[in-house]
This record gives sequence, structure tokens and C-alpha cells, in this order.
Amino acid sequence: KAGVTQTPRYLIKTRGQQVTLSCSPISGHRSVSWYQQTPGQGLQFLFEYFSETQRNKGNFPGRFSGRQFSNSRSEMNVSTLELGDSALYLCASSLARGVYEKLFFGSGTQLSVL
Amino acid sequence: DAKTTQPNSMESNEEEPVHLPCNHSTISGTDYIHWYRQLPSQGPEYVIHGLTSNVNNRMASLAIAEDRKSSTLILHRATLRDAAVYYCILRDTNAGKSTFGDGTTLTVKP
Repeated sequence: KAGVTQTPRYLIKTRGQQVTLSCSPISGHRSVSWYQQTPGQGLQFLFEYFSETQRNKGNFPGRFSGRQFSNSRSEMNVSTLELGDSALYLCASSLARGVYEKLFFGSGTQLSVL
Repeated sequence: DAKTTQPNSMESNEEEPVHLPCNHSTISGTDYIHWYRQLPSQGPEYVIHGLTSNVNNRMASLAIAEDRKSSTLILHRATLRDAAVYYCILRDTNAGKSTFGDGTTLTVKP
């Protein structure tokens, strides 16, 4: 069974641009969550989607948004990029939303904002 | 959100047991304790999880204090491939929201 796939693996953008990152969960998994990882802040929760609905959102500005499609694939979008948005963006999927569910992470998208 | 506290770093010798502690004094009754580890240039990978009882799997053991305010991840025989950042997280009743702490960087010496 294929793991969580994130594309692209690396991305370079300039300030003010927008970016869309993609996440394909493990087949059959319906919950997808997104995290931002930086050396200074560690792993921070962005949002979680289940059955095409956002269920939870972290403390990030409205420039960060996402969506989930009927096949459970998810995208996240960052508009008006700032230098501080440079980070590794990780996507995780799980079978369902239970607190006992294991999270399966992708390798992430490394975003650099110049 | 319930938080976890872990030591920044720990060292171990190869083939010796490693005990990685985690404090979670604000844990609620229904929070599950999960452990993940992250190798360089990879996303975190699941290690083990539990609620109240101690748990064992092929990777590790999880010892949970009786009051559930702390837990310990036990690697029975550390190998060089176990060198990673280990995260202890709580999965709360909000289900989809997991708060990661700073993790413990484990160094394994040959």
C-alpha cells in the first residue's frame, strides 16, 4: 500500500506570491491534517479535514487555507507569502478521527520564500 | 490544549536500553498518549500509543504512570538507526488536533 504522498517535494517562491501544496493520503484514509515545521517553532498544527470538512484549525492567519476533495486528497494554500512562511509542510493521514488512530506522515514539502 | 514536556536531548550507547520520559500533567481522562519519531529529512513515523495500560510492540514499549501524568518510551536495545527526534503527543477528544512539543533528540553512540 502506498504511503502518504506530498507534492512538490521542494518549492521556491518569492514574497507576495501564493502557493498550493498537495497531499494524497493512504488509500482508505479519510482524515488529513497539516503541520508546519520550522527550526524555531517546531511542529505546529495547521488544520484537519475529514469528509471534505475542516474539523479543526490551528492558530495561523487566514492566509493559510485548505480543502479536501471527495477522494480524500487535500490541498493547502498560502496566499501573500511572507519570509516567515519558509518551512517544511507536513501532511498526515489517518483512517478516521479517533484519538487512538495512528497518524501516517508524508515526507513533506520544503517551501522556501525569498 | 494539553501540553507535553520532554528533555531536549539524550544519549545512549548502541545495544543498551533507552528510557525516554515525557510529562503531561494536564492530560485529560480520554486523551491518548502517542509517540512518534522523526529521522532526518523525513516526516514523523508512528512508534506506539496507549491510554492507561503499558503497551508493547515490535518497536518499543510504553510505560504509563498510574496517574497518567507521565509516560516513558522504552527502546529495549538501541541501534544507530534509532537516532532521531522523539515526540510525545496527546491526542485529545477533539480527535483531529495533535499538539507536538519540542521532542527529544536521541543520539546513539556506537
